[in-house]
Amino acid sequence: GENVEQHPSTLSVQEGDSAVIKCTYSDSASNYFPWYKQELGKGPQLIIDIRSNVGEKKDQRIAVTLNKTAKHFSLHITETQPEDSAVYFCAASMGGNNRLAFGKGNQVVVIP
Amino acid sequence: NAGVTQTPKFQVLKTGQSMTLQCAQDMNHEYMSWYRQDPGMGLRLIHYSVGAGITDQGEVPNGYNVSRSTTEDFPLRLLSAAPSQTSVYFCASSYSTVANYGYTFGSGTRLTVV
Repeated sequence: GENVEQHPSTLSVQEGDSAVIKCTYSDSASNYFPWYKQELGKGPQLIIDIRSNVGEKKDQRIAVTLNKTAKHFSLHITETQPEDSAVYFCAASMGGNNRLAFGKGNQVVVIP
Repeated sequence: NAGVTQTPKFQVLKTGQSMTLQCAQDMNHEYMSWYRQDPGMGLRLIHYSVGAGITDQGEVPNGYNVSRSTTEDFPLRLLSAAPSQTSVYFCASSYSTVANYGYTFGSGTRLTVV
């Protein structure tokens, strides 16, 4: 089955700096890669996603890049703000039926 | 729209007790699923459903049952609770059962088994 790994497990950044989280996946058939943000005490929320026919996607301060050859994709957050502090999960599609395999999550801490 | 509603938010069970975690969505989503979240383990799929009357197992199904009698509801049953089932449980739904679309998650149920 699909195996998704995230690095680093914890990331601290100064407010205003950029944060990058990288995920690797194992199944070359995976074609959908979403990112979720989870704030304390809440459920994960979709923030951006990318499909395998696209190399990069951007939405305001966040962007996702995909390297299918190397089987990794990354979340980029620019001009970080305290409200960006959260746990971020990457995921990759596995098989059919819209199933997702999730990474273990990254704790991002933005230091004011 | 309420989105995905999970009840209860918190629950403490004794070992061997049974209970049902409720999940309801009002978005007419065909796909629904249950995940458990444990420290350092991320989100692991328990069971999922691609429509009323259809359910299937995820990666950690043992000790859990599900049913899908309506499009809106997808309850998760713990038949005989064990301490290993202490976790935060999330229900998620999605528009499509074939193409990949994002999930909408509920706010979770924090379960403690003593």
